[in-house]
Amino acid sequence: DTAVSQTPKYLVTQMGNDKSIKCEQNLGHDTMYWYKQDSKKFLKIMFSYNNKELIINETVPNRFSPKSPDKAHLNLHINSLELGDSAVYFCASSRERDTEAFFGQGTRLTVV
Amino acid sequence: AQSVSQHNHHVILSEAASLELGCNYSYGGTVNLFWYVQYPGQHLQLLLKYFSGDPLVKGIKGFEAEFIKSKFSFNLRKPSVQWSDTAEYFCAVNALGNNRLAFGKGNQVVVIP
Repeated sequence: DTAVSQTPKYLVTQMGNDKSIKCEQNLGHDTMYWYKQDSKKFLKIMFSYNNKELIINETVPNRFSPKSPDKAHLNLHINSLELGDSAVYFCASSRERDTEAFFGQGTRLTVV
Repeated sequence: AQSVSQHNHHVILSEAASLELGCNYSYGGTVNLFWYVQYPGQHLQLLLKYFSGDPLVKGIKGFEAEFIKSKFSFNLRKPSVQWSDTAEYFCAVNALGNNRLAFGKGNQVVVIP
């Protein structure tokens, strides 16, 4: 059973489009995150939710909007995609806010 | 804000050689420390973690790390690497109450058979 699953794994889309990435965890964790990994492999947190409540919102363009319908899901919606949005987006979850994070397989987003 | 430094971004070594990757963080309070590994094309997996207790922690696949509080360091070691250890290694720090993992820029390790 996959602990943290993301869909899709690959996403190729044109500039200006709107797209969503879905994430689900079956670990019973309270906290979920979105991280962005750029072409140089640098990982940066974008958002964090705890029990469906947004607790971290880093300096991310407001074209990015997370949504957590319940504790087990954290989706990422991106409006008006730009070339610079191309990256690998990782969803993660943790039991509590300061414990280790478990990562999904990543979604490789390519904007053309 | 916490920050994490990893040096020697690219490391190339032969099988059976010893590996040590440095990690330093800047935060004066209590921290939880982690090393993650990312094999080519895969997601991040936890190698080991330190929360408290014995500063020498052992992880999976023969890796270990030592927390030295006075040096704000959490270096990763493996006495004898294998080709399958080729991967990107990330140090991460979570300052208690900060609700996030701060990652270093990673070390790309290539092991030559």
